[in-house]
Amino acid sequence: DTAVSQTPKYLVTQMGNDKSIKCEQNLGHDTMYWYKQDSKKFLKIMFSYNNKELIINETVPNRFSPKSPDKAHLNLHINSLELGDSAVYFCASSQGAGEYETQYFGPGTRLLVL
Amino acid sequence: AQSVAQPEDQVNVAEGNPLTVKCTYSVSGNPYLFWYVQYPNRGLQFLLKYITGDNLVKGSYGFEAEFNKSQTSFHLKKPSALVSDSALYFCAVRGNTGFQKLVFGTGTRLLVSP
Repeated sequence: DTAVSQTPKYLVTQMGNDKSIKCEQNLGHDTMYWYKQDSKKFLKIMFSYNNKELIINETVPNRFSPKSPDKAHLNLHINSLELGDSAVYFCASSQGAGEYETQYFGPGTRLLVL
Repeated sequence: AQSVAQPEDQVNVAEGNPLTVKCTYSVSGNPYLFWYVQYPNRGLQFLLKYITGDNLVKGSYGFEAEFNKSQTSFHLKKPSALVSDSALYFCAVRGNTGFQKLVFGTGTRLLVSP
């Protein structure tokens, strides 16, 4: 059973398009995250939700909008895609938002904007 | 703000030899430290973490890490490397003053040769 799953795994699209990435976790966790990993493998947090409430919102363009319909799901919608959005996007989850909580990562969604 | 440094882009070691992957950190308050591993085209997998207590932390796949407060380090170690340990390793830190995000280092590629 996959603990944290993401769809799609690969996404190739044209500049200017709008796309969504979905994330689901079956671990019973109440906190979920979106990370971006660039071409140099640098990993940075974008958003975090705790019990469907946004608790971290890093300096991310307004074109990125997360949505958490329930505690098990966190989706990421991206408007007007740009070349620089090409990256691997990882979803993660943890039980609680405490500093010591372990985050469990999904397999990633590889986004390529042409 | 917290930060993590992984001074080596790549570590090369022969199979059977001990390995060390270095990590130093900077954080307000007491640190919570994590190691993750990323295999090619996969998500991050949790290896181990330090919260408090014993400075030597044991984790998955025979890995361990030593917390050194005076040197602000959290080096990852394994007594005998396997070829299958070849992967990208990330150190990460969170502080314990208020809610803080998990900050990752730039990653160290470990290459274990047969």
